[in-house]
Amino acid sequence: GAGVSQTPSNKVTEKGKYVELRCDPISGHTALYWYRQSLGQGPEFLIYFQGTGAADDSGLPNDRFFAVRPEGSVSTLKIQRTERGDSAVYLCASSLKGHNTGELFFGEGSRLTVL
Amino acid sequence: GQNIDQPTEMTATEGAIVQINCTYQTSGFNGLFWYQQHAGEAPTFLSYNVLDGLEEKGRFSSFLSRSKGYSYLLLKELQMKDSASYLCAVRDDKIIFGKGTRLHILP
Repeated sequence: GAGVSQTPSNKVTEKGKYVELRCDPISGHTALYWYRQSLGQGPEFLIYFQGTGAADDSGLPNDRFFAVRPEGSVSTLKIQRTERGDSAVYLCASSLKGHNTGELFFGEGSRLTVL
Repeated sequence: GQNIDQPTEMTATEGAIVQINCTYQTSGFNGLFWYQQHAGEAPTFLSYNVLDGLEEKGRFSSFLSRSKGYSYLLLKELQMKDSASYLCAVRDDKIIFGKGTRLHILP
């Protein structure tokens, strides 16, 4: 498909486990964002990439969270030692730098539940 | 710091007009977005303002005043399908979202 793809769509895990969430952006989009959204709240910024490098990771809540984008396309958000408070929908979005508005195109999200 | 404020909830009647306000304080400014998000779905792009003034797109319009740090989204001829959350977002370098305004449409 031509849109942003996120896997898994749903993940249930136990407290203390390790989780990886994957994002496949729109082909050719240079910018890739990760957000976290809890019920009734707006998307909370976590990190964004321009190409392979993290341009701004100031939203990562602590050192249990890490994200990579080794080839400038697919990105993986990694969460170590998950806690119940990590439960949320993790949204990925991509955009084309220099394009008209530079609007974000969102994936459907990965819903993480930590028991 | 960065702060984006918008009302938590609003209610309007089908066929009417509603204005959703957004105020922002950011260290830099490089454009303001409005997104629509239906429950359980991903946000979708509605509008973008980078210069002062009104941008009109069908039933939806968005206004920006950079000197006041203020924007609004105007929805006309409301339809039941407009029941959703409306997210104001500002691009400094990265794009930051407000908490969203849940709009309820009454028949």
